[in-house]
Parts: sequence; C-alpha cells; structure tokens
Amino acid sequence: GENVEQHPSTLSVQEGDSAVIKCTYSDSASNYFPWYKQELGKRPQLIIDIRSNVGEKKDQRIAVTLNKTAKHFSLHITETQPEDSAVYFCAARLNSGGSNYKLTFGKGTLLTVNP
Amino acid sequence: GAVVSQHPSRVICKSGTSVKIECRSLDFQATTMFWYRQFPKKSLMLMATSNEGSKATYEQGVEKDKFLINHASLTLSTLTVTSAHPEDSSFYICSARRDLPGRSTPPLHFGNGTRLTVT
Repeated sequence: GENVEQHPSTLSVQEGDSAVIKCTYSDSASNYFPWYKQELGKRPQLIIDIRSNVGEKKDQRIAVTLNKTAKHFSLHITETQPEDSAVYFCAARLNSGGSNYKLTFGKGTLLTVNP
Repeated sequence: GAVVSQHPSRVICKSGTSVKIECRSLDFQATTMFWYRQFPKKSLMLMATSNEGSKATYEQGVEKDKFLINHASLTLSTLTVTSAHPEDSSFYICSARRDLPGRSTPPLHFGNGTRLTVT
C-alpha cells in the first residue's frame, strides 16, 4: 500500500512569512495529491490539490509543487496570516484502477502563525 | 457547496453500550462514503469504505463486528460502535465522495466529526 510521510510535524512562523510543508509518498502509481486544512475540532477542508500530470498549481497565497521522479510534493503558503494557523494534512491517492478513491494521509503539520 | 452532515457531534456513553453515528450527504448522492478515526494530534486513519447497497470494505486491523457500517441509501451511511470500551474513545469523521461528470478525481466532502467518549 501507499505510505505518506509529512514534515515538519510543527511549524511556527511570523505573520507575513512563508511556510512550506513537505510530503513524500512511496508508490509511484499514486496520481492525485490533495492538501487539507483542519482547525481544531472541525472537519478537514480541501485547500488545494494537484494531479500527477501537473508540476505546480497555485491559488492566491497557496501553491503546491509535485516532483514525480523524487515522489515528493510540497505546500507553500506565502504572506501567512494568523487565520492560516491550523493542522495541514497532505494525502495521496493510489491509482488502483478501481473506484474506491482511498486516500492515505500524512501525519499532519501544526502550523502556528504568530502575529 | 456540497454539505455532509454528521451526527451527533459529541456523545458520551457507558462501557458496553452501542453508539450509532450518522453521516448524510445533504445535497448530493454519495455512492461511496469513508469512515476515519482520528486520535488527538494524529492523522486521519481510514477505517472502512462504505458502498451503497453492498458490504463495507474494512481496512486491515479494523474489527468489522465491532464497527458496523450500513449504507442503506445514497445519502446516508451509519457507523455503529458496538459494546464500546474506553479505548474506543476518539474522534470519528466521515467523508462522502461526490461523483461529477467528467471528473476523474471526484472531491471528498467531510463531515464535522463525532467526539466519542466512553466512560
């Protein structure tokens, strides 16, 4: 099965700085990589995703990069704001050819943006 | 946007009792729903995949007789924790897959989660 490693487990930045979270995956057959933001006690919210046929995707202050050769992908948040503080999870979906759409999640990164 | 409703949000029960958690897709039909368990400051662990009209597919190590899943309609899946024990205390979250025409990676929409405490 797929294994997703996520680093760092905690990240503290000053407001306005950039934050980068990195993930690696083990199975080269994975083809879809979403990122979720989860505030304490709330549901995970999809913030950005990328497919394996794309190297980079950007949405305002958030961007994701994918290196298929190295099997790693990263989340970049620029001009961080206190409301960006949350736990961020990366995930990978194995292209098994079926319809189950199982995601394997990383262990999460607690991002704290200090005002 | 698509909404997934999960109830209850919190439940406290005594050891030995059973608890049912509901996951509803409010404005779309979901042939597939997923149940996760999340320990404090930990990641989401997939417990099982719930398919409408068929048996759920459980992940390795998850007891199917303890965590009963029923997906009786296209908008409702239930997870029943049977004979609950304190070690079953956790945060349980469901997600529903929203199939869209032409979309090879259908979005997942999460419920708000259920905090289960077994005393």
